[in-house]
Amino acid sequence: ELKVEQNPLFLSMQEGKNYTIYCNYSTTSDRLYWYRQDPGKSLESLFVLLSNGAVKQEGRLMASLDTKARLSTLHITAAVHDLSATYFCAVYYTGNQFYFGTGTSLTVIP
Amino acid sequence: EAGVVQSPRYKIIEKKQPVAFWCNPISGHNTLYWYLQNLGQGPELLIRYENEEAVDDSQLPKDRFSAERLKGVDSTLKIQPAELGDSAVYLCASSLGGSGANVLTFGAGSRLTVL
Repeated sequence: ELKVEQNPLFLSMQEGKNYTIYCNYSTTSDRLYWYRQDPGKSLESLFVLLSNGAVKQEGRLMASLDTKARLSTLHITAAVHDLSATYFCAVYYTGNQFYFGTGTSLTVIP
Repeated sequence: EAGVVQSPRYKIIEKKQPVAFWCNPISGHNTLYWYLQNLGQGPELLIRYENEEAVDDSQLPKDRFSAERLKGVDSTLKIQPAELGDSAVYLCASSLGGSGANVLTFGAGSRLTVL
């Protein structure tokens, strides 16, 4: 059974602090996606990681992929309130299949 | 470029009533997905289409759920009869499919409340 696990599930962090969200998956894949979802809204694509060792950065967010460890990380640097949202990783499998993690609800507090 | 369009955005019905959701994917996207998202959880696949063919419907509760993709473009997801446990957000997504980045683009979702 394919499993995609994220941790932590809930994250409350102070503005200006750094933190990392982890995404582990159970079956080999070389493609992983990160999405953001604001309350009551749909999912918005953040990053696409297409190979082992891939690293993508946008503003205060940086995502990386280690396919050997079956692990992706989403690192938050100097958090700001606007980053408060739920973040999902999604693992791609052959045949246009996407499996989503449970999500990490991030709250950035002043 | 228009995104994935879904309607209705919100629907409130009584249990045992039927309901239908409609999705128009991004032009040229051959692969279309219907996901179910319960509160506080990640999207779970209901059905996936490649053009007009349903290639993965293993998670679709076929006793009450049905779906179709007309001419490989628009899609409709139907529930009949609805149960209380069907209250959730129904997300439609589309992608180009194949190799490359193949990003999944979501619609705004249809929020169903069953009373």
